[in-house]
Amino acid sequence: KAGVTQTPRYLIKTRGQQVTLSCSPISGHRSVSWYQQTPGQGLQFLFEYFSETQRNKGNFPGRFSGRQFSNSRSEMNVSTLELGDSALYLCASSPDKTNYEQYFGPGTRLTVT
Amino acid sequence: AQSVAQPEDQVNVAEGNPLTVKCTYSVSGNPYLFWYVQYPNRGLQFLLKYITGDNLVKGSYGFEAEFNKSQTSFHLKKPSALVSDSALYFCAVRVNTDKLIFGTGTRLQVFP
Repeated sequence: KAGVTQTPRYLIKTRGQQVTLSCSPISGHRSVSWYQQTPGQGLQFLFEYFSETQRNKGNFPGRFSGRQFSNSRSEMNVSTLELGDSALYLCASSPDKTNYEQYFGPGTRLTVT
Repeated sequence: AQSVAQPEDQVNVAEGNPLTVKCTYSVSGNPYLFWYVQYPNRGLQFLLKYITGDNLVKGSYGFEAEFNKSQTSFHLKKPSALVSDSALYFCAVRVNTDKLIFGTGTRLQVFP
């Protein structure tokens, strides 16, 4: 079974631009979560989707948004990029909403200049 | 608020020696506890979890962890460390279906 895939793997954007990151969960998994990883803040929860519905949301500004499609694929969008948004963005999928085991993708490394 | 602490930024151990990576948590309610490992330029890999039942949990790659409710701890252990175990280890906690909260991570360095 293929693992969680994230595209693109690397991205360089300029302040003020917007970006969309994509995540394809493991086949059959219906829950997708997003995390931001930075050296200073560590791993921080962004949001979680299950069956196209946002179930949980972390403490991030409204510039960060996401969605999940009927095939469980998920996208997250960051508008009006700031330098501090430079991070590794990780997506994780789980078979159901218990999320007892989350399977992580390799991440998208976003650099904002 | 739920939180998890990993008091050591780095743990150094010689190959063949036992290793322990510490984790303590603070939650209101029954915790679900997890350990993940991250290798350079990779995503996180699931190691083990405690949901309920036996306090000693065995996971991947020979790792185990013990849930201690009175000390609110969930330390990761391995009887004999390998150089290939060198990586970044994260403890995480959640209560019910709430969001997963990660610790700050502990870098494990195993020396040959």
